[in-house]
Amino acid sequence: KQEVTQIPAALSVPEGENLVLNCSFTDSAIYNLQWFRQDPGKGLTSLLLIQSSQREQTSGRLNASLDKSSGRSTLYIAASQPGDSATYLCAVRYFKTIFGAGTRLFVKA
Amino acid sequence: EAQVTQNPRYLITVTGKKLTVTCSQNMNHEYMSWYRQDPGLGLRQIYYSMNVEVTDKGDVPEGYKVSRKEKRNFPLILESPSPNQTSLYFCASSSSGTGVEQFFGPGTRLTVL
Repeated sequence: KQEVTQIPAALSVPEGENLVLNCSFTDSAIYNLQWFRQDPGKGLTSLLLIQSSQREQTSGRLNASLDKSSGRSTLYIAASQPGDSATYLCAVRYFKTIFGAGTRLFVKA
Repeated sequence: EAQVTQNPRYLITVTGKKLTVTCSQNMNHEYMSWYRQDPGLGLRQIYYSMNVEVTDKGDVPEGYKVSRKEKRNFPLILESPSPNQTSLYFCASSSSGTGVEQFFGPGTRLTVL
């Protein structure tokens, strides 16, 4: 059964710091991996989608990598800002979709 | 505007009173899905639909029903709601069931008393 784990569960950093969020999954037979952002009490905002054949995707200050063979993905956030404070979720997709529990990020001004 | 809409956004009901949460997308997507989000348990998939008249169970289907009679709509039906179905529900859609991005609706907060 596919399991998705996100580490750390929570992270507090000063503004301007570069940071890495981790996502691991147990079964490498996936179609894609998607990173989302969720603000408290709000919906999910898609950040990046990595196809199973891809190694990384970039959007602005965000870079996501995928190592399917080792069951790992990382989300790199450059020059963090207070507005980046949110919960970050990763989700792996085969015919079902399995989410990790998320990393709660707080960026201090 | 391309979007996934859900109604209602908030609902308080009582145990056993049948309810339906609607989900509609205007992107001509084939794939639609329902999730619930609970503190400490994260987001879990309830049901998904690869196309019209094709539905399948996710990880937590007990107590829910779905139907997909039209491509744009995917209602979630709770025939006899119970307090353990109090949750935040999200609908999502994508152009296909495999390697593409999922788009999520704004969520429906359901409380069952």
